[in-house]
Amino acid sequence: DQQVKQNSPSLSVQEGRISILNCDYTNSMFDYFLWYKKYPAEGPTFLISISSIKDKNEDGRFTVFLNKSAKHLSLHIVPSQPGDSAVYFCAAGGNEKLTFGTGTRLTIIP
Amino acid sequence: KAGVTQTPRYLIKTRGQQVTLSCSPISGHRSVSWYQQTPGQGLQFLFEYFSETQRNKGNFPGRFSGRQFSNSRSEMNVSTLELGDSALYLCASSWRGIQGTSEQFFGPGTRLTVL
Repeated sequence: DQQVKQNSPSLSVQEGRISILNCDYTNSMFDYFLWYKKYPAEGPTFLISISSIKDKNEDGRFTVFLNKSAKHLSLHIVPSQPGDSAVYFCAAGGNEKLTFGTGTRLTIIP
Repeated sequence: KAGVTQTPRYLIKTRGQQVTLSCSPISGHRSVSWYQQTPGQGLQFLFEYFSETQRNKGNFPGRFSGRQFSNSRSEMNVSTLELGDSALYLCASSWRGIQGTSEQFFGPGTRLTVL
């Protein structure tokens, strides 16, 4: 039972354009959400988070949007840069647990 | 500040053996969580330790166990290894634990291969 889903295993975006990564969840008890980025041979690194009481959080080129009614989360990267090529995991937190999605591999095309 | 370290980085074992993985958190962090990453499954939560106590546990069989020492270092043990245990095992540390929005800092992982 995958409570957090990232339905796109991969995504390719032209450098300079917007990258949009999506995440859906099923458990309405989740009360905070995070995005992590992972390079090969390294552990995931925290990118940005959002509490369930907000619908948007921005940090530089990264913006996370939360649509609670649709149980949908998205990460926008603008503008996309070659160094953004990595695997992105969304995670949902609640009841002292973090549940991760399966990841989306983002490739930025120069 | 040194990051989260995990040893060993790579490990090859055979079915039926047992293995112990080690994680040293960032200095001052009291929470250590363990995750299993396999292709197509993302990161699956194993357990979290906070101040030497297991605070939370994921849906893994009893062959997977862990402990935390007074210096916050943590070990994870897998007994009677199965082929399906081949994965990247990640540990993450944080000051407060995985409650709230406290971010976790991940180590580079231990790649376990079971033959």
